[in-house]
Amino acid sequence: GQQLNQSPQSMFIQEGEDVSMNCTSSSIFNTWLWYKQDPGEGPVLLIALYKAGELTSNGRLTAQFGITRKDSFLNISASIPSDVGIYFCAGRQTSGSRLTFGEGTQLTVNP
Amino acid sequence: EAGVTQSPTHLIKTRGQQATLRCSPISGHTSVYWYQQALGLGLQFLLWYDEGEERNRGNFPPRFSGRQFPNYSSELNVNALELEDSALYLCASSLYSGGTKREQYFGPGTRLTVT
Repeated sequence: GQQLNQSPQSMFIQEGEDVSMNCTSSSIFNTWLWYKQDPGEGPVLLIALYKAGELTSNGRLTAQFGITRKDSFLNISASIPSDVGIYFCAGRQTSGSRLTFGEGTQLTVNP
Repeated sequence: EAGVTQSPTHLIKTRGQQATLRCSPISGHTSVYWYQQALGLGLQFLLWYDEGEERNRGNFPPRFSGRQFPNYSSELNVNALELEDSALYLCASSLYSGGTKREQYFGPGTRLTVT
């Protein structure tokens, strides 16, 4: 089945550092999404991207929809301890249909 | 506004038994999605319901089934449980109209353990 390749699998950074993670696919997606999941909870939507080349920010988070529509990246600036968690990318090919998820990036922030 | 709710929080079953998981969507949302998240892995799509109909199904055996009720809440049933069914089962809901920007919002999940 379809898969999203998300990297890196894990990151260990110091508080205040910037973080970058990305997601690639062999298939084209019409929508790219980024979620964050804390332990024992469901994923929370961070950013949604709908157009190729689109760059969208949400506070310290910035995400881009790749021009080829086969990739996306997420940047977190000036990381803080509460940024700890697992970040998932997800793609959707048609409106209202299933999401295909990456395997997640585990982020650890050392104070 | 209340988010997506799921029950029970935890469920322990033995191999061969049946499990029933429940989900209530955000008020006004008509679509409900089910995902399986095995330990340390990403989310795998299971089922999508909208307006009481099954719209799409992931690559799971037929012993995974469900339904959506007139009030848009949903049940996921897993028959003949196997050890590898142990996972976090996540429900998400969204508006559905065929347009864009109908994003999925997740509940906290049901942790199913099969022994």
